[in-house]
Amino acid sequence: KQEVTQIPAALSVPEGENLVLNCSFTDSAIYNLQWFRQDPGKGLTSLLLIQSSQREQTSGRLNASLDKSSGRSTLYIAASQPGDSATYLCAVEGGGNKLTFGGGTRVLVKP
Amino acid sequence: ETGVTQSPTHLIKTRGQQVTLRCSSQSGHNTVSWYQQALGQGPQFIFQYYREEENGRGNFPPRFSGLQFPNYSSELNVNALELDDSALYLCASTPGRSTDTQYFGPGTRLTVL
Repeated sequence: KQEVTQIPAALSVPEGENLVLNCSFTDSAIYNLQWFRQDPGKGLTSLLLIQSSQREQTSGRLNASLDKSSGRSTLYIAASQPGDSATYLCAVEGGGNKLTFGGGTRVLVKP
Repeated sequence: ETGVTQSPTHLIKTRGQQVTLRCSSQSGHNTVSWYQQALGQGPQFIFQYYREEENGRGNFPPRFSGLQFPNYSSELNVNALELDDSALYLCASTPGRSTDTQYFGPGTRLTVL
C-alpha cells in the first residue's frame, strides 16, 4: 500500500527566503507525482506534474525534482512571497488516475 | 472552457441523514474522481467514474456511493451520515485514463452535527 509523507507539517520563513518542501513515498512504482497548492477551505490548484520518466519540472519560481529510486520529491520555491502562504500537497499516481496524497506542509511567508 | 464546479458550497446535516453532492467535470473530461479531506489532512480517494462506470474504489464503506451521467457530471451520495463524515469533499476530472494533471473543483464543505 502506497504511503506518502510530507515533512515538516508546517514551515515559517521570512519573505525572500527560498522554500524547500519534501515529499517521500514508499512504493516507487508510480506513473507520476504532482504538487498542489491549497488555500484555506479551498480546492486544489495543480502546480507541477512530473512523469515517472522525468527528473524535474520547472514553472517560474517553482522547481520540483523526482528521485523514484529513493522515493523522494522536493519542491523548491525561489524568493518566497507572502502570497506563497498556503498548504502544499504532493500526490503520487499509481495508475488509473488515482492519487495518494501526503498530509501537506503548511507554509507561512512573513513580510 | 469551464473548470470543475461543485455544489453546494457548504452543507450542514445531522447524524443519520443522507446527502448528495454534485460535480460538473471540466469540458471534454470523461473521468471524475471523488476525494474526502478531513481537517488538517490530505485528501483520501473515495472512488472514480469513467464513462458512467465505477473504475476503482478506496477504503470507504458502501454507504458512500456515486453516479456518473452521460454528460460526465457526477454525484456522490452518503447514507446514514456519521460525525466523522464531516470533511471537505473534492472532485477532480481528467480527460481520460491518461497520466495527465487532475483538475480539482472548489469542494463542498459538509458538516455533520
